[in-house]
Amino acid sequence: KAGVTQTPRYLIKTRGQQVTLSCSPISGHRSVSWYQQTPGQGLQFLFEYFSETQRNKGNFPGRFSGRQFSNSRSEMNVSTLELGDSALYLCASSLRAGDQETQYFGPGTRLLVL
Amino acid sequence: DQQVKQNSPSLSVQEGRISILNCDYTNSMFDYFLWYKKYPAEGPTFLISISSIKDKNEDGRFTVFLNKSAKHLSLHIVPSQPGDSAVYFCAASPNSGGYQKVTFGIGTKLQVIP
Repeated sequence: KAGVTQTPRYLIKTRGQQVTLSCSPISGHRSVSWYQQTPGQGLQFLFEYFSETQRNKGNFPGRFSGRQFSNSRSEMNVSTLELGDSALYLCASSLRAGDQETQYFGPGTRLLVL
Repeated sequence: DQQVKQNSPSLSVQEGRISILNCDYTNSMFDYFLWYKKYPAEGPTFLISISSIKDKNEDGRFTVFLNKSAKHLSLHIVPSQPGDSAVYFCAASPNSGGYQKVTFGIGTKLQVIP
């Protein structure tokens, strides 16, 4: 069974631009969550989608948004990029919503904002 | 304010010896704790968890100990193997469900020397 895939793997943007990251969950998984990983803050929860609906949201500004499609694929968008948005963005999928133990992470998209 | 602290950014251990990774937390509401392992260029994978009703949970070579009074948990790996070399994240939540409530530490990089 294919794992969680994320595209692109690496991205360089400049301040003020916007970016869209994509995540394809494991086949059959309906829950997709997004995390931001930075050296100083560790992993921080962004939001979770289940069956095309946002179930939970972390403490991030409105510049961070997401959506989930009917095939469970998810996209995350960050508008008006700031230098501090440089991070590794991880996507995770699971069968059940909110199940930390059985979520499978993708390899991440490394975003660099210049 | 780091509610989950992994104060050792790195740790080196000889193969066959015990690896002890430590984690401290400040939020008294946390009652469910997890450890994740992350290899370079891969997403984190769930390793082991413990709820506050226990003080020890064991899974093969991995044991997690919880000291609620000290707000401290540790992950023991015995015996350590070179394949254990990875970054280990400690995470905590107020209950066993819901990603938005999970707080991660910044990780400890373990190197097991052959």
